[in-house]
Amino acid sequence: NAGVMQNPRHLVRRRGQEARLRCSPMKGHSHVYWYRQLPEEGLKFMVYLQKENIIDESGMPKERFSAEFPKEGPSILRIQQVVRGDSAAYFCASSPQNIRAQPNQPQHFGDGTRLSIL
Amino acid sequence: GNSVTQMEGPVTLSEEAFLTINCTYTATGYPSLFWYVQYPGEGLQLLLKATKADDKGSNKGFEATYRKETTSFHLEKGSVQVSDSAVYFCALSGLPSGAGSYQLTFGKGTKLSVIP
Repeated sequence: NAGVMQNPRHLVRRRGQEARLRCSPMKGHSHVYWYRQLPEEGLKFMVYLQKENIIDESGMPKERFSAEFPKEGPSILRIQQVVRGDSAAYFCASSPQNIRAQPNQPQHFGDGTRLSIL
Repeated sequence: GNSVTQMEGPVTLSEEAFLTINCTYTATGYPSLFWYVQYPGEGLQLLLKATKADDKGSNKGFEATYRKETTSFHLEKGSVQVSDSAVYFCALSGLPSGAGSYQLTFGKGTKLSVIP
């Protein structure tokens, strides 16, 4: 789907475990965005990262959630000590340039990771 | 803040029927507007976009016109097919200056089912 690769597609965790979600942006894209989709809801912005920098994490829960986008490798969304309410689909999107500079360019989405908490 | 309101679904239509999915928005300034489509088990795909007032976005027979006076961006298609069955999301992106401009704000989505 437009080259953004997310894995795993499905992830099952028990309460209290850690969940790691990976996102490789489209080739040539250095800007990554994470969104969460709760059942029957639209997507909600979580965090925006560039390589080695978190630009905006205003949508991230204050505790247990973290994100990184290292110089090498995929972007990682990490959820510690998962709870039932973390069950959702998590989508990653990427863009080639700073959307603040060019807000009209679309973001390209991956197929998402569906996280289920037992 | 920014918000997007879509018509409630689900919407069920017969093949070749006319489709309208209403979308209105609240935003300051001049947002860009998008329609995304999500097929079962997949991510979102950009369907069409419009970046300024009176622009018409179109793709695969779908159209939407950016109406600033009514703050609307309704999605239309003259003749739907079974393969159009999916969830459709209206979204906007913020201003070129200030915080939050890169955040897409989504509506809740409208599920469309087209029956033969």
